[in-house]
Amino acid sequence: DTEVTQTPKHLVMGMTNKKSLKCEQHMGHRAMYWYKQKAKKPPELMFVYSYEKLSINESVPSRFSPECPNSSLLNLHLHALQPEDSALYLCASSRTERPGLNNSPLHFGNGTRLTVT
Amino acid sequence: DAKTTQPNSMESNEEEPVHLPCNHSTISGTDYIHWYRQLPSQGPEYVIHGLTSNVNNRMASLAIAEDRKSSTLILHRATLRDAAVYYCILFAIYNQGGKLIFGQGTELSVKP
Repeated sequence: DTEVTQTPKHLVMGMTNKKSLKCEQHMGHRAMYWYKQKAKKPPELMFVYSYEKLSINESVPSRFSPECPNSSLLNLHLHALQPEDSALYLCASSRTERPGLNNSPLHFGNGTRLTVT
Repeated sequence: DAKTTQPNSMESNEEEPVHLPCNHSTISGTDYIHWYRQLPSQGPEYVIHGLTSNVNNRMASLAIAEDRKSSTLILHRATLRDAAVYYCILFAIYNQGGKLIFGQGTELSVKP
């Protein structure tokens, strides 16, 4: 079991649909992250939120829209996706905005497997 | 962002030590070296990290070369549950915070 919970576990959506991915943590962590992982590839960083503010956007297309309503929740809103956006979307959190310093590693959820048809 | 180079795959026998190498010749003085692993159908999990000195924890040991251009993750006695993809990562600090950028990883298989 992981302390970062992602829902849903699986999602199938059409190219004209709007859907959202949800991530929740109750460890009091102040930084949250979205990563995208294609099959047999490493996770790629998409967004970083620090103290509920977007601090890093890795030039992600606007059809992906992140939102951090409070320090425990992170959403990823999806609209007009393409089939090539099919992937495993991973959420992570860390105690501080500098994971790896001050003993603050990333804690990952098990991801949402997204299929765009 | 500085990059890491790892072998694509390695094999080990159960209950034997495993040494997973990583090259990071473009590492900067402030980059931390992190290792995460990803078991099948799970998100990555933290293993260990270090800056200059060798590090030990309950999961593994990290040996860092004196020039910091390479490091080795050591699993002292591999078990079947250690079969996973192991990622060597350089943690870069930016004004906005920090980024963990994953390398390609080494897929470790463990034979009984």
